[in-house]
Amino acid sequence: DVKVTQSSRYLVKRTGEKVFLECVQDMDHENMFWYRQDPGLGLRLIYFSYDVKMKEKGDIPEGYSVSREKKERFSLILESASTNQTSMYLCASSSGTGGNEQYFGPGTRLTVT
Amino acid sequence: QKEVEQDPGPLSVPEGAIVSLNCTYSNSAFQYFMWYRQYSRKGPELLMYTYSSGNKEDGRFTAQVDKSSKYISLFIRDSQPSDSATYLCAMTTYPGTYKYIFGTGTRLKVLA
Repeated sequence: DVKVTQSSRYLVKRTGEKVFLECVQDMDHENMFWYRQDPGLGLRLIYFSYDVKMKEKGDIPEGYSVSREKKERFSLILESASTNQTSMYLCASSSGTGGNEQYFGPGTRLTVT
Repeated sequence: QKEVEQDPGPLSVPEGAIVSLNCTYSNSAFQYFMWYRQYSRKGPELLMYTYSSGNKEDGRFTAQVDKSSKYISLFIRDSQPSDSATYLCAMTTYPGTYKYIFGTGTRLKVLA
């Protein structure tokens, strides 16, 4: 079974703080993704990575950065958290060169006050 | 117009009913289709993954793709209260892309 884990289920941070969200997958997948999920807007892609140290911007990268130093780990960084970044953050992974099914982690519900 | 449209529901059915969940899409290049189940405050769980047109069955779940109509369906037979969740469709084009388009989800309630 594919296992994608995320470092926190719930997180509360203050405006302006630097926030780190971590994701680890145990299936040796090449590709990893960060999404945010908001009611009525669905899942929106923030960043993805198709190899170690490689990253590509998704649809809404502003205010975020990512790091992938090891194949199994993909971190999302909020450089200076703002209230409009309050959301559910989902990490996913997939194998191959794209098009294959994605497997999701349990999500991190982040609240920025 | 959104690339993928999905009725948000909620859809309420009695236990044991056959449930039909649907998505329509506009991009004829989509080739790979997925259905996810998401319980409240949890991550999406992959249910079905299909390529191109046709049917695929897995237990009580059947995924159907009609590329000519740009329409995909998920059928749940003998629905159970534990099936109560939000169901998301997702799709992507030929391999080599990392862009997946998700529907906004249909909320399903199965009443005991």
